Amino acid sequence: AQKITQTQPGMFVQEKEAVTLDCTYDTSDQSYGLFWYKQPSSGEMIFLIYQGSYDEQNATEGRYSLNFQKARKSANLVISASQLGDSAMYFCATSGGGADGLTFGKGTHLIIQP
Amino acid sequence: DAGVIQSPRHEVTEMGQEVTLRCKPISGHNSLFWYRQTMMRGLELLIYFNNNVPIDDSGMPEDRFSAKMPNASFSTLKIQPSEPRDSAVYFCASSTGGGHSPLHFGNGTRLTVT
Repeated sequence: AQKITQTQPGMFVQEKEAVTLDCTYDTSDQSYGLFWYKQPSSGEMIFLIYQGSYDEQNATEGRYSLNFQKARKSANLVISASQLGDSAMYFCATSGGGADGLTFGKGTHLIIQP
Repeated sequence: DAGVIQSPRHEVTEMGQEVTLRCKPISGHNSLFWYRQTMMRGLELLIYFNNNVPIDDSGMPEDRFSAKMPNASFSTLKIQPSEPRDSAVYFCASSTGGGHSPLHFGNGTRLTVT
């Protein structure tokens, strides 16, 4: 079974600083995907970024990048130049195990301070 | 392009009553997922469908929970009878399938059972 560990329950960061949100995963699959989602206080789940297990380049989407270290089973999310609107819960998730669904971590509550 | 549509947004009901949650996936997506989110347990996959067929319902907590997908554009999650511990946010999500496609979530239904 897949497992996601997010060790930072909460983080406070100054506006405009870069942020790294930690994520480690456990899977026995060779082919899997890694995903990050944002959940603002309004409650919706917003897809941010995807990394495939066979992708050699780190994924990037605007201010988001995924620092993928396969040997360490690590998939950290990096947000550059943080903004007040980045304050939210962030969830790391993985696919695999022959199923289409995602397994989510417990999340990190990020608060950006002015 | 309309996203995943869930109804109702909020549901308050008394213990013992039947609750039906509804979901319309994104057109063209052939995988549909029901998740439950609570503070204690995080995001849990309840059941998912491929091409309207239930594939994995191992996450359904009890026989009180049932889900159907009569066609490609509609799914329901039913709880009968409801209990206070069923109080949670229930999300529906859809994707194009396969472990490398992101899930697109609806806005969720916040269920309160008194």
